[in-house]
Amino acid sequence: GENVEQHPSTLSVQEGDSAVIKCTYSDSASNYFPWYKQELGKGPQLIIDIRSNVGEKKDQRIAVTLNKTAKHFSLHITETQPEDSAVYFCAAPRDTGGFKTIFGAGTRLFVKA
Amino acid sequence: NAGVTQTPKFQVLKTGQSMTLQCAQDMNHEYMSWYRQDPGMGLRLIHYSVGAGITDQGEVPNGYNVSRSTTEDFPLRLLSAAPSQTSVYFCASSYALDSQETQYFGPGTRLLVL
Repeated sequence: GENVEQHPSTLSVQEGDSAVIKCTYSDSASNYFPWYKQELGKGPQLIIDIRSNVGEKKDQRIAVTLNKTAKHFSLHITETQPEDSAVYFCAAPRDTGGFKTIFGAGTRLFVKA
Repeated sequence: NAGVTQTPKFQVLKTGQSMTLQCAQDMNHEYMSWYRQDPGMGLRLIHYSVGAGITDQGEVPNGYNVSRSTTEDFPLRLLSAAPSQTSVYFCASSYALDSQETQYFGPGTRLLVL
């Protein structure tokens, strides 16, 4: 079945540095790749997404890149700030055998001031 | 709009007890789903629904029941709670009738089963 692997599980960066989180997926039919941010005590919230017809999407300090051939996509956060500290999840849909979204295990990002 | 709401926020149960986790959304979304979140395992899909009267199983459905009598509500029932069901439960909704769109999550219910 569909599997989404996310790395690293924990990432610590200095304020102002960049952070990169990578995910790989197995279902070649997947064509929508969202990234969610979960702050402490809250539900996940979408921060950026990309569809398979583009290779990169940017929104201010965050960007997502997609390599469909290699089946991986990455989240890039530049000029990190303490408020970026959170858990980040990637996800990939699996619409064969039902409408399901498979999430990665999450990356806990610490931004040190 | 209140978005996706969940009640209760916290619950402690004894093994064997039953309870219902409530979820409601006011965005007229057809797609609703329940996830459980455990350390190091991300979000795992329990059950989902593509509209009133239609439900289907996710990855980890055992021990849970759902129903969808209205578009707004999607309750999750634990028939006989077990310690393995200790987790944080999230309800989510989406306007799309598939998984290719943004999901909006509720604030979660923390459940402890003793």
